[in-house]
Amino acid sequence: NAGVTQTPKFQVLKTGQSMTLQCAQDMNHNSMYWYRQDPGMGLRLIYYSASEGTTDKGEVPNGYNVSRLNKREFSLRLESAAPSQTSVYFCASSYGHSKSTDTQYFGPGTRLTVL
Amino acid sequence: QKEVEQDPGPLSVPEGAIVSLNCTYSNSAFQYFMWYRQYSRKGPELLMYTYSSGNKEDGRFTAQVDKSSKYISLFIRDSQPSDSATYLCAMTRGGSNYKLTFGKGTLLTVNP
Repeated sequence: NAGVTQTPKFQVLKTGQSMTLQCAQDMNHNSMYWYRQDPGMGLRLIYYSASEGTTDKGEVPNGYNVSRLNKREFSLRLESAAPSQTSVYFCASSYGHSKSTDTQYFGPGTRLTVL
Repeated sequence: QKEVEQDPGPLSVPEGAIVSLNCTYSNSAFQYFMWYRQYSRKGPELLMYTYSSGNKEDGRFTAQVDKSSKYISLFIRDSQPSDSATYLCAMTRGGSNYKLTFGKGTLLTVNP
């Protein structure tokens, strides 16, 4: 049982280049999330998908786009990378219950550097 | 004022010490409170969660929520070097709102 997987693990880009971060989960979860984690800033939500076919902006969506490809996969795209997007990116998933707590399970992260 | 405030530390304690980690928050709508543990260069993993006010114990870990003071705590008894990690508090309104609001995390080192 792999849980949440992310590719790539590391990436270096030049300013203006584009790339897509991939995320997949094998837990049959409905909801998926993309976060970025920066020193002194904690985890900040970029985009989330409450269920297959829906996506919504989080706290810091500018400069990013997402695609919920199917129930398992949720990708994050940087169309024109900027140095401010240097960060560690985490994908997470959860069942998406309408009641009670809804545990989010995190992937191992992608370390992105934009030069 | 940030919705969730957490002292980033770092906190360094000797093995066997009792550790207290804390967060304060401003949004009274938060109902579910979580603690995540994050080892270096890994993703966060859920350690404990509580609903509304009260205490919850799991082995050496105790989570406390005081909604009247908007204050949550995580206590670690008999701390071990393997507890060395960053601890993040998180909270949510629950219901149809799945989004978590995280604290910035506290870096804990337990020295043998």
